Amino acid sequence: SQTIHQWPATLVQPVGSPLSLECTVEGTSNPNLYWYRQAAGRGLQLLFYSVGIGQISSEVPQNLSASRPQDRQFILSSKKLLLSDSGFYLCAWSVTGGITEAFFGQGTRLTVV
Amino acid sequence: QKEVEQNSGPLSVPEGAIASLNCTYSDRGSQSFFWYRQYSGKSPELIMFIYSNGDKEDGRFTAQLNKASQYVSLLIRDSQPSDSATYLCAVYFGNEKLTFGTGTRLTIIP
Repeated sequence: SQTIHQWPATLVQPVGSPLSLECTVEGTSNPNLYWYRQAAGRGLQLLFYSVGIGQISSEVPQNLSASRPQDRQFILSSKKLLLSDSGFYLCAWSVTGGITEAFFGQGTRLTVV
Repeated sequence: QKEVEQNSGPLSVPEGAIASLNCTYSDRGSQSFFWYRQYSGKSPELIMFIYSNGDKEDGRFTAQLNKASQYVSLLIRDSQPSDSATYLCAVYFGNEKLTFGTGTRLTIIP
């Protein structure tokens, strides 16, 4: 069966510090991968998605970036965090090319102080 | 702009009653529709999906789709306190990604 791992679960970082969140998927090949952010009491905002290695689509311009160095690995990064980057970050995967559901990792609660 | 809209609530329903959650979407050509449940502080989990017009039942949950009117709904029968959560509607508009509504917060009152 497929599983998705996302870490860390919680993170407190000072303003201006770098960020790296990692997500890996097991049990499937060539998945679509997604990074969402959820601000407190808000809906899911799609940040980035990837349909293959090295292929990244950005949905919202901001100081975050994403990379997909391996088929089942998706990384969210920032060089300098802002207070507004605080939120609940969720990695998700879905089957490529199908009209199918997305499955979420456990999420990372990021607080920028 | 592809959009999914939900009433943010909160929606309060007595235990044992039917909870009805609604969602509208902007693209008549959309093909697939999903309902996720999200407990506070947790990640969303899929509870239902529906592709065709009409009703789809799974236990206490029924998803209803009306493509002509561009709405999808979720009914929860015999509501339990454990159903208290935020329910997210998601629509596949194409381009390999799901678009989510902002969610409806449901509270089941014992």
